[in-house]
Amino acid sequence: DIVMTQTPLSLSVTPGQPASISCKSSQSLLHSDGKTYLYWYLQKPGQSPQLLIYEVSSRFSGVPDRFSGSGSGTDFTLKISRVEAEDVGVYYCMQGIHLTWTFGQGTKVEIK
Amino acid sequence: EVQLVQSGAEVKKPGESLKISCKGSGYSFTSYWIGWVRQMPGKGLEWTGSIYPGDSDTRYSPSFQGQVTISADKSISTAYLQWNSLKASDTAMYYCARALGGGYMDVWGKGTTVTVSS
Repeated sequence: DIVMTQTPLSLSVTPGQPASISCKSSQSLLHSDGKTYLYWYLQKPGQSPQLLIYEVSSRFSGVPDRFSGSGSGTDFTLKISRVEAEDVGVYYCMQGIHLTWTFGQGTKVEIK
Repeated sequence: EVQLVQSGAEVKKPGESLKISCKGSGYSFTSYWIGWVRQMPGKGLEWTGSIYPGDSDTRYSPSFQGQVTISADKSISTAYLQWNSLKASDTAMYYCARALGGGYMDVWGKGTTVTVSS
């Protein structure tokens, strides 16, 4: 199984300030088709998860441009340029390169 | 509107069987995977497995292989997650999600709460 490791596990951010979450995979997520199957999901309190970023850096429909994803191979980062109150929740990275998918442990983002 | 409607909350006893459902509408049900994701109380997300209703191709997380069965009835656009013998440790919220191959889960159900207690 591919293991996904996120850091930090929690983050307290002042509104308007940036935030960054790291995700490392135990194996490269670069597929032979040229795509890298790394996703970011957000679960807001009391809600179902929602897709934020797909294939490392592509924002899903409706996701504000303050969210950005980067990285390659085994190291990935989600950045929020200016955190807003509505961004609170738990962020998960997830790999989908193999037939079995795995999530990271999650990073809880709170507002100071 | 694309949506996934999950069955209601369940309360069961250890050893009982259970089948929960996820009905898709607003899209071609046979052209997308349906993934199931477990979230135990206060814990993170765990991918359980996925099924492609078009041909019933099914994949399981090694952690869940043999513990649950995923199936689908494409005639009624519904996917299922079932247990033959529930354990207290199966207590969790279970989400279904529409998925493309590779982990792209773009539409999620609201979840089904399963409580297993004697």
